[in-house]
Amino acid sequence: SQQGEEDPQALSIQEGENATMNCSYKTSINNLQWYRQNSGRGLVHLILIRSNEREKHSGRLRVTLDTSKKSSSLLITASRAADTASYFCATGPNTGNQFYFGTGTSLTVIP
Amino acid sequence: GAGVSQSPRYKVAKRGQDVALRCDPISGHVSLFWYQQALGQGPEFLTYFQNEAQLDKSGLPSDRFFAERPEGSVSTLKIQRTQQEDSAVYLCASSLHAGPYEQYFGPGTRLTVT
Repeated sequence: SQQGEEDPQALSIQEGENATMNCSYKTSINNLQWYRQNSGRGLVHLILIRSNEREKHSGRLRVTLDTSKKSSSLLITASRAADTASYFCATGPNTGNQFYFGTGTSLTVIP
Repeated sequence: GAGVSQSPRYKVAKRGQDVALRCDPISGHVSLFWYQQALGQGPEFLTYFQNEAQLDKSGLPSDRFFAERPEGSVSTLKIQRTQQEDSAVYLCASSLHAGPYEQYFGPGTRLTVT
């Protein structure tokens, strides 16, 4: 079963706008990661945030993590048509090796 | 350098047939994961290898599913007596270190059971 839930399920924005998607999860984690999936390149790792971190940046990506609420958000600034893809959060556990992906947010960036 | 490769990319099997899906991870990567992804869903964990040891197989849906990584590199996921509900994309991922860190995914094998 899926560990995480992304919100919204689908998001459509104009090029240049910012996109925000949220992820909630259920159990304690070692880290939380965001991945992008499109038909051209498959699943690609975007960013990892550790459980003791609250915010992390990478290029146009900004990730926040609130372990007290068991939630994370991914902000993509100045979106481009090439950002069109499905975005998944994935939790790395504190114990064990199971790695759980959420249900995904489908982002469409309109040129 | 070379990424994770999987073969075949597409497989059509008649119900009841056995199939074998291959994964070639990035050379030197310790960890290897298998996932099953249904249409419109996120990947679901199947099993995890650290080198040649299968440390977690709790996600395998039934005893018809079997995975191995005998020399700590190439891995094979075998599904016996395929059923229609096995139709999905099977993804393989490898990671440099042990544990739940950044994973590099292969393109997947799309299995269709008719």
